[in-house]
Amino acid sequence: GEDVEQSLFLSVREGDSSVINCTYTDSSSTYLYWYKQEPGAGLQLLTYIFSNMDMKQDQRLTVLLNKKDKHLSLRIADTQTGDSAIYFCAESKYNTDKLIFGTGTRLQVFP
Amino acid sequence: DGGITQSPKYLFRKEGQNVTLSCEQNLNHDAMYWYRQDPGQGLRLIYYSQIVNDFQKGDIAEGYSVSREKKESFPLTVTSAQKNPTAFYLCATSQGNGYTFGSGTRLTVV
Repeated sequence: GEDVEQSLFLSVREGDSSVINCTYTDSSSTYLYWYKQEPGAGLQLLTYIFSNMDMKQDQRLTVLLNKKDKHLSLRIADTQTGDSAIYFCAESKYNTDKLIFGTGTRLQVFP
Repeated sequence: DGGITQSPKYLFRKEGQNVTLSCEQNLNHDAMYWYRQDPGQGLRLIYYSQIVNDFQKGDIAEGYSVSREKKESFPLTVTSAQKNPTAFYLCATSQGNGYTFGSGTRLTVV
């Protein structure tokens, strides 16, 4: 199937690290993406990783990719209240622009 | 400043009426997409278009129609055949590496 799976909720204390996990199904995906959605808004591209990489770091964000297990994670260091949002992972279909999105993980950051 | 404009931000429709949601882009992207988002759910693909004058059905096309007469514009019509149209609608574009999203239109049937 084409399901991209994520856990629905994650709650963390401000200042801690958050880890959001995603499993995908298509081993031929060329890029994998993380998007952030704030309430009532569209999705904003946070970061992406090419399928031949296993890690990418961008300031507070670290993406880990395990191709063997088809597992993708997003780590947010020093999580802030402004990080509260829904986070979507997405995989690209081989040789197309089309993305398959996960169900989204709602991150709640409490003081 | 390049981007995607979705209008209106909020839309109310009476049952039995058709309504058209606007999506305009000045990014010069070839591909455009319409998604529906329901509370607590992910994105579901309604229609997409990879070039002008061509479009394909997504996973939940029933009760919706689109046109792609210009590269910049991809309007979505929610017809009276759509039984549960209340949702948040997102338009996106792409040019080879990821999507750019509009800010969405919230449609409510009253």
